[in-house]
Amino acid sequence: EVQLVESGGDLVQPGGSLRLSCAASGFSISNNWIHWVRQAPGKGLVWLSRVNADETMTNYADSVKGRFSISRDTAKNTVDLQMNNLRDEDTAVYYCVRGRTGSSGLIDSWGQGTLVTVSS
Amino acid sequence: DIEMTQSPSTLSASVGDSVTITCRASQNINKWLAWYQQKPGRAPKLLIYMASSLESGVPSRFSGSGSGTEFTLTIRSLQPDDFATYYCQQYNFYSSFGQGTKLEIK
Repeated sequence: EVQLVESGGDLVQPGGSLRLSCAASGFSISNNWIHWVRQAPGKGLVWLSRVNADETMTNYADSVKGRFSISRDTAKNTVDLQMNNLRDEDTAVYYCVRGRTGSSGLIDSWGQGTLVTVSS
Repeated sequence: DIEMTQSPSTLSASVGDSVTITCRASQNINKWLAWYQQKPGRAPKLLIYMASSLESGVPSRFSGSGSGTEFTLTIRSLQPDDFATYYCQQYNFYSSFGQGTKLEIK
C-alpha cells in the first residue's frame, strides 16, 4: 500500500525556518516525481514544489521560490522541504504527494498533511 | 504561471440532481487536467485525469470533458457521499489548482 507520512510541522515565528520531511512506503521514490502542496485554513490547494525521480530537476511556485528548497534521499525513501524566511501567509497544512508513475504532474497519492503555523 | 478559475465557487443541489462544474485555464493546457474531491479534514482524492479519464474505483456518475482552456466536471444522480469540495488541477506546465467549488446540499 502506498503511504506518505509527513512530519516536522510546528509553530514558528515569522522569519524563522522549518524543515518538513515526507517518509514514503509501498513504493520507491526513485520511480516518481514527488511534490509538496499546501492548504491554508479554510482555503484551497496550492502547489509549491516538485522534484523528479533522480533529483536532477526541481521546480517551485513563484510564491516560495528562493525561500523553499526540496530535496530527496533515495536511500531513506524520504523527501524534505526546507522552508526559510517564513511568513504569516505560509501558515497551512502541508501535503507531500506522489506524481503518478510516468507523469511529472498528475498526483495520485496524498499524505495526511502536517500543520505549519507561522505566528509571533 | 497558469491560472485556473473554477465556477461556481459554491453549488447547492439535491440528492439525485446532476451538476456541472467549470474550470478555465489562462492558457492552452491541451488535456493535462485532473479533478479532485476533498472532504473536510481529509486529503484530496483523484477522480479524473487527462480531462476525461476516470480514475480506477471512481463511480461512473463522474465524468469530465474539455480540452485547451475550458473543462467541465459533471456528476450525475448526486449521492449523499458526493457533497464535498472539488478542485481542478492543470499539469501541463508545473502545476496549479483552481480555487475550488463547494458542493452543498440544498
